[in-house]
Amino acid sequence: QVQLVQSGAEVKKPGSSVKVSCKASGGTFSNDDINWVRQAPGQGLEWLGGHTPIFHSTKYAQKFQGRVTITTDESTSTAYMELSSLRSDDTAIYYCARAFENVDTLTGSYSRYFDYWGQGTLVIVSS
Amino acid sequence: EIVLTQSPGTVSLSPGESATLSCRASQTSSVSYLAWYQQKPGQAPRLLIYGASSRATGVPDRFSGSGSGTDFTLTISRLEPEDFAVYYCQQYGSSSWTFGQGTKVEVK
Repeated sequence: QVQLVQSGAEVKKPGSSVKVSCKASGGTFSNDDINWVRQAPGQGLEWLGGHTPIFHSTKYAQKFQGRVTITTDESTSTAYMELSSLRSDDTAIYYCARAFENVDTLTGSYSRYFDYWGQGTLVIVSS
Repeated sequence: EIVLTQSPGTVSLSPGESATLSCRASQTSSVSYLAWYQQKPGQAPRLLIYGASSRATGVPDRFSGSGSGTDFTLTISRLEPEDFAVYYCQQYGSSSWTFGQGTKVEVK
């Protein structure tokens, strides 16, 4: 059973940066595709980016290009998301989630989805 | 980037009734990469449906997904009290993920 445990809440000043961690257990971290999703108060889910180890690739949503950096530390099975130049509208709960690609051995069909989520980290940006 | 539009925004129903939630993609989306999630207040989203129609482990069979191309549907038959929540569709394409804006299923 995969478990993703995130770091605690943060309060940041506008213009500063925040780095949120996501420690994984119960899986094979070196193969895990860890993504980051945020949810502003009362709003929907928004994908920021993700790291795909098998492709040695990190992808970011266009909206956050240049402001978000996703890294991983295999020695501690921990993923990190750093968001810079914070603004008040970055106030949100930030989630990490594992993307899983499933292959149905009977039909040969494949699918991809987020199967495990962290508990979320509240980031408040306020002067 | 594919945009997912969910409707209705909110639906008010009574326990025992059925709910039909729609997710429309701005361009053809692979069924392989269409998923549905349930989110309750104060909780992380929970995977319900993947591959447009396959139920995730432990999901009751009153939840079903269907659709292809640009139109996908999540049906909840016989609503239970614990089903009142917000539901999101999600798709993967061109190495990025997008979510619909969500449909809230509330108690009438």
